[in-house]
Amino acid sequence: DIVMTQSPGSLAVSLGERATINCKSSQSVLYNSNNKNYLAWYQQKPGQPPKVVIYWASTRESGVPDRFSGSGSGTDFTLTISSLQAEDVAVYYCLQYYSTPMTFGQGTRLEIK
Amino acid sequence: QGQVVESGGGVVQPGRSLRLSCAASGFTSSNYAFHWVRQAPDKGLEWVAVISNDGSKTDYADSVKGRFIVFRDDSKNMLYLQMNSLRPEDTAVYHCARVRDKGNSWFNWFDPWGQGTLVIVSS
Repeated sequence: DIVMTQSPGSLAVSLGERATINCKSSQSVLYNSNNKNYLAWYQQKPGQPPKVVIYWASTRESGVPDRFSGSGSGTDFTLTISSLQAEDVAVYYCLQYYSTPMTFGQGTRLEIK
Repeated sequence: QGQVVESGGGVVQPGRSLRLSCAASGFTSSNYAFHWVRQAPDKGLEWVAVISNDGSKTDYADSVKGRFIVFRDDSKNMLYLQMNSLRPEDTAVYHCARVRDKGNSWFNWFDPWGQGTLVIVSS
């Protein structure tokens, strides 16, 4: 099984400042035949299902503000929020969909400092 | 885009069975694979099971293998999760989630998700 390790577990950032969340997979999720990283980022707010913000590691979902960006390849990935807004307070999860069992990171709780 | 809506959750005693349903609308369900994902109270997300677009293939998390069965009835645009021999550690909100892209691969991110249905296993 691919283990997804997120860091930090929680993060407090001031409004307008940058937030960075990391996700490391125990093996590569880069599929060489199409050069795509099978990695997505989700945002979950209380009482709501997760909402995709990034897929293929760096493709922003339609409608997601451009302050959200994803980067990385192979085993190391980052979700960056360039200028934190109040509505970004949530728990963020990475997901590898490279192989079953599909696995999530343990989540990062993002709060306002 | 479409949507999925789960139902069938409730309180059940350990060792008993429960069947969850997932109603798909706004798209042709037979074009897509579907996953089940659960979230225990105040915990993270755990992948449970997947079924291919044509229902011919399934896969399960080790924690539910041999106890849970996923199946589908595309004539009704429905997905199901049959949960047998339930344990207290199965207590969670269960989400049905479609893969984003059509086709016979389930190696795709999950979107849309349903709101989920709560299963509580307790005596």
